Amino acid sequence: EVQLVESGGGLVQPGGSLRLSCVASGFTFSTYAINWVRQAPGEGLEWVSAISGGGETTYYADSVNGRCTISRDNSKNTVYLQMNSLRAEDTAVYFCARWISNYDYWGQGTLVTVSS
Amino acid sequence: QSALTQPRSVSGSPGQSVTISCTGTSGDVGSNNYVSWYQQHPGKAPKLIIYDVNKRPSGVPDRFSGSKSGNTASLTISGLQAEDEADYYCCSYAVTYVVFGGGTTLTVL
Repeated sequence: EVQLVESGGGLVQPGGSLRLSCVASGFTFSTYAINWVRQAPGEGLEWVSAISGGGETTYYADSVNGRCTISRDNSKNTVYLQMNSLRAEDTAVYFCARWISNYDYWGQGTLVTVSS
Repeated sequence: QSALTQPRSVSGSPGQSVTISCTGTSGDVGSNNYVSWYQQHPGKAPKLIIYDVNKRPSGVPDRFSGSKSGNTASLTISGLQAEDEADYYCCSYAVTYVVFGGGTTLTVL
C-alpha cells in the first residue's frame, strides 16, 4: 500500500525556519517525483515545489523561490522541504504528493502556522 | 504561474449533471494533456478523480468525466449524488511548474 506521511509542521515566528519531512512507503521511491502542495486556511491548493526521482532536478513556485529548498534522501525514502524567512502568508497545511503527470497519492498534510 | 480559472461554486439536484470549467493558457492547459482533477472533502486530502484530461483512476465512478478544448478543460459529473458535495480542483502541468485552479465548491441541493 502506497503511503506518504508528512511531519515537521508547527508554530513558528515570522522570519523563522522549519523543515518538513515526507516519508514514503509501498513503492519504489527513487523512481517517482515528489511535490509539495499547500493549502492556506479556507483557500485553494497551491503548488509549492517539486523534485525528480533522483533528486537532480528541482522546481519552485515564485512565491517560495529563494526561501525554500526541496531535497530527498532515497536511502530513507524521505523528501524534505526546508523553509526559511517564513511569512504569515506561508501559513497552510502542507501536503506531499507523488507525481506521475498527476498526483495519484497524497499524504494527510502537516500544518504550518507562522505567527508571533 | 497564474492560477487556472474555475467558477467559485456550482450546484445541482440529485440525479442531475453539472460541468465545472477550468481555463488556463497556451502555456499550461493548452500545451499538453496532463490535466487532472481532484475532489476534496472538508478536512481531507485531495483525491484524484480524472487524469490526462479524461482518464479515470480505478475505483472512480464513470459518472465523472473530463474533456478539454483549447485552453479550457472541463469536469462533468452526471447522476449527482449527495456524496459528490465537495470542492473540486483542476490542475495542469506546465513543464517547470504545476498550476491549480482556484477550486469550485459543488453543492448538491
